[in-house]
Amino acid sequence: DAGVTQSPTHLIKTRGQQVTLRCSPKSGHDTVSWYQQALGQGPQFIFQYYEEEERQRGNFPDRFSGHQFPNYSSELNVNALLLGDSALYLCASSWDRGLKNTGELFFGEGSRLTVL
Amino acid sequence: AQKITQTQPGMFVQEKEAVTLDCTYDTSDPSYGLFWYKQPSSGEMIFLIYQGSYDQQNATEGRYSLNFQKARKSANLVISASHLGDSAMYFCAMRDLANAGGTSYGKLTFGQGTILTVHP
Repeated sequence: DAGVTQSPTHLIKTRGQQVTLRCSPKSGHDTVSWYQQALGQGPQFIFQYYEEEERQRGNFPDRFSGHQFPNYSSELNVNALLLGDSALYLCASSWDRGLKNTGELFFGEGSRLTVL
Repeated sequence: AQKITQTQPGMFVQEKEAVTLDCTYDTSDPSYGLFWYKQPSSGEMIFLIYQGSYDQQNATEGRYSLNFQKARKSANLVISASHLGDSAMYFCAMRDLANAGGTSYGKLTFGQGTILTVHP
């Protein structure tokens, strides 16, 4: 049973460019959340997708957008990249009805973005 | 707003010894969940243990136990019999459980983390 998979694992962009990160959730999961983790910091919630809609959003600008597909996979898009966007981007999947219980999230290994 | 504080940037422990990682939290929500995650150098966040705010007993999962003191708003992680493989970053996190309809959206608020180093 494959866990959460993310691609690409590493990428380098320059300021002003755009990037798309991809996530496939764990089998049976229907909810995908994205987190940004700067070096030496804890992850920060970006947004969550359920039923192909953004259900909840953290304190991130509109340059950060996302999408969820009918197969529950998700993309995170960041436009007009800034140096401060350099971070590890983590995708976490869960089963919506499970969230009211332990709320365990299954995380991928992340996509490490470097903006030069 | 929810807030998690981990005051220990780094901790060292001898192999086979026990270690406690501190976590305090702040929330006005009546119902919440507390989590500990381990993050090795690979980057993946690995779920360790969960404690609900209304759980009467402290959670335990194998070598991991959570020392939950609700009045003090603390949720310390205790790792017994440390292994070399326990060396990693450890994060305490919190989630609000109070959404109507029994469905919580699952947003986690994380602390800054504690780097644990296990010496042989």
